[in-house]
Amino acid sequence: DQQVKQNSPSLSVQEGRISILNCDYTNSMFDYFLWYKKYPAEGPTFLISISSIKDKNEDGRFTVFLNKSAKHLSLHIVPSQPGDSAVYFCAASNTDKLIFGTGTRLQVFP
Amino acid sequence: EAGVVQSPRYKIIEKKQPVAFWCNPISGHNTLYWYLQNLGQGPELLIRYENEEAVDDSQLPKDRFSAERLKGVDSTLKIQPAELGDSAVYLCASSLRRNSPLHFGNGTRLTVT
Repeated sequence: DQQVKQNSPSLSVQEGRISILNCDYTNSMFDYFLWYKKYPAEGPTFLISISSIKDKNEDGRFTVFLNKSAKHLSLHIVPSQPGDSAVYFCAASNTDKLIFGTGTRLQVFP
Repeated sequence: EAGVVQSPRYKIIEKKQPVAFWCNPISGHNTLYWYLQNLGQGPELLIRYENEEAVDDSQLPKDRFSAERLKGVDSTLKIQPAELGDSAVYLCASSLRRNSPLHFGNGTRLTVT
């Protein structure tokens, strides 16, 4: 039973355009959501987070949106840069347990 | 601030052999995690420590896996004996407190032949 789902295994976006990565979850008790970025041969790096009491959090080029009624969150990257090419994992937390999705590979091309 | 340090980076062993991974978390981070990541999957929790206490080890296969965190700082994860299906990346992470972001090490890639 996969509680956190990233249904798009890959995404390709032109440099300068917007990247939108999506994530769905099934457990309504999740109260904290995070996005991580992972380069090859490195561990995941924290990117941005959002609490369930908010619906939007912004940090520079990165914005996370949370739609609790739809159990959906998304990560927007504007503008996308070649250095953003990586695997992005969403994660959801409930009572100290952090559950990750399967990841979306983002490729930003010139 | 120094990050989470893991060693070794790579390990190749034959099945039925033992193997151990070491992790040094970020200074001051009381919570330490061991995650398993299979190819094409997200990290999956094996065990979580609060200081020296293992507070969540429900996903740890205790017949062959063991972990310890002496003095509430460094941690070691051991597999004995290793099986072919144990080939994966083993990630260590630490955090300051609940609902604060996890900081991951670069992981140990284990190959069991």
